Order: sequence, then structure tokens, then C-alpha cells
Amino acid sequence: DAGITQSPRHKVTETGTPVTLRCHQTENHRYMYWYRQDPGHGLRLIHYSYGVKDTDKGEVSDGYSVSRSKTEDFLLTLESATSSQTSVYFCAISERGDETQYFGPGTRLLVL
Amino acid sequence: AQSVSQHNHHVILSEAASLELGCNYSYGGTVNLFWYVQYPGQHLQLLLKYFSGDPLVKGIKGFEAEFIKSKFSFNLRKPSVQWSDTAEYFCAVSPNTNAGKSTFGDGTTLTVKP
Repeated sequence: DAGITQSPRHKVTETGTPVTLRCHQTENHRYMYWYRQDPGHGLRLIHYSYGVKDTDKGEVSDGYSVSRSKTEDFLLTLESATSSQTSVYFCAISERGDETQYFGPGTRLLVL
Repeated sequence: AQSVSQHNHHVILSEAASLELGCNYSYGGTVNLFWYVQYPGQHLQLLLKYFSGDPLVKGIKGFEAEFIKSKFSFNLRKPSVQWSDTAEYFCAVSPNTNAGKSTFGDGTTLTVKP
């Protein structure tokens, strides 16, 4: 398995609170992604990064922000969590020239 | 923008039955195609991929997929499924550019009855 960890693995929070999820890789891959997985919707891209400090929005970016200050870390922040953001969040990485994505173990987030 | 359609949302088979999961995509240019599998409680992992060359691609655990360019399809097949193949299967397409972005289908849940 690719060296990808996510923290926390599980989190319960209340509506309106900020939440930060961390993705850490040891593969030195250029691209990093954040997805959310919901029943009936498959995987939807939230944000992605194509290098340090280079990020762009995905299809469901509203209410989320990201930062990448180091190659190995990609942070996803919910500025003010809402119940609609209850989901399983997956981080993925890939390298230029090989579009295969390698996924982390996921974070289950419950917003009450 | 590209899109991916998986027509079967839930497939139920008995062990030893043959499997075919449909995947169609829409994109006008050259694409890379993938099937990922997610076993219960686990993260997604690559099953097989097509970049170029032979349109019949073989993956892990006896799975294969055929890229038919004229039909914009990349269907997944396995001649004889096992109970351990119970999982969710995702088709994904990535334009052959430098973006590294993939679009995923909504997934097909496969349940194999012992």
C-alpha cells in the first residue's frame, strides 16, 4: 500500500465548528486530492493540489478550503461545519505520467 | 468536462456466475481508464487500468476490462465470481492531459452469494 495516512480517522463535531482533516504521504507524489464519498454519489472531488501552494477547486468545493505548505501534507478545512458535510473523506495521491490514484484509509466525519 | 456512467447500481450474483459491469464515459479526447474496487470497510484500490495499446486489459484477481473506443465504454468482466469479490466497483476516467484529475462513476455494489 502507498504511504498515505489520514487523521483523524473518525470525528464527531457540532454544526458551526471548524474542522481540519489532514492527509500525509511519504511517496513524494506531486498531486494530492480530497474526495467525499456519499451513498449514491460515488466519489466527488472537493479540491486538489498539483504542487506546494498550488491548489484548485473540484466539483463540490463550497464550504471547504485546502492548504498545502509541504509536499507531504494536504489539509482540508471545513470553516463552519454543516450537517450536509457528514460524509467519508478520502485523500488520494498520484504522480505525473501515471494517473493512477492511491487512496488513504478515509476519515468518517459526523456533523451533528 | 468528462462524465462517467455506471448503469448497474447493485448487482447480486451467485458464486461461479459470470460478471459484467458497464461503464460509459463522455469525453472528446484521449483518456486513461480505470476500475477501482472498495472492499467493505476499506479504501479504494486499483483493479486495472488502460492507458494505450491492447484494448483488453487484465487486472488483479482474474478481472479484465475491454476498452471499446467507438462505444466510449470500458466494461469490467470476470468469468467466475467468488464470495470475496463482494465490494463496490468504481469506473474512472482521466483525460490524457497533465492535470492528473479523474472523474469517478457513482459505483456499482456487487454482492456475491455463497
